[in-house]
Amino acid sequence: EADIYQTPRYLVIGTGKKITLECSQTMGHDKMYWYQQDPGMELHLIHYSYGVNSTEKGDLSSESTVSRIRTEHFPLTLESARPSHTSQYLCASSDLTLGAGYNEQFFGPGTRLTVL
Amino acid sequence: AQSVSQHNHHVILSEAASLELGCNYSYGGTVNLFWYVQYPGQHLQLLLKYFSGDPLVKGIKGFEAEFIKSKFSFNLRKPSVQWSDTAEYFCAVAPSSGTYKYIFGTGTRLKVLA
Repeated sequence: EADIYQTPRYLVIGTGKKITLECSQTMGHDKMYWYQQDPGMELHLIHYSYGVNSTEKGDLSSESTVSRIRTEHFPLTLESARPSHTSQYLCASSDLTLGAGYNEQFFGPGTRLTVL
Repeated sequence: AQSVSQHNHHVILSEAASLELGCNYSYGGTVNLFWYVQYPGQHLQLLLKYFSGDPLVKGIKGFEAEFIKSKFSFNLRKPSVQWSDTAEYFCAVAPSSGTYKYIFGTGTRLKVLA
């Protein structure tokens, strides 16, 4: 079944730790995205990728980094977590069908990160 | 800068009431428009999408939205809501040219009272 997965679902860590949030999709989509979502706020795009070895920073400044070595995998890394990184992180993927415009984004369940 | 505005942050309705959620965007070019829904404890999922053609778009679960180009609006409607429609609703815009970035509104939290 085509889907998009994120692990861990919940993470509580101390300041200064390095963490990697995992995201994988089985749909073969070229485009993948990381968003930060806080209650009552819009989804803020922090990173996106057009395909393998292609990554771009989004509109919201972030101290995280991403990599795209395989089509299906788009991990996000925080080298040194801080309390200001506490948020929900959503991963999404999409594709573009010629003649049909942008397709929907498929979202993962999210990772709720708390940095103490 | 491109942006999406959702006017209602919280809406409370009784079952069988009609629903209209506002969405306006700022972008001068051609756009693709989306409404997503997030039920409690679930993923964000697509309700409906507008790409081109008929500006009245029908989605899942009886929802529809109308694209009014002159007003830069894409309002979501449902004639009769159910308790199961309790969720958060997000409007999103993807400019048709340039990057493949989607711009989301702040969301509207809908609570339907049984």
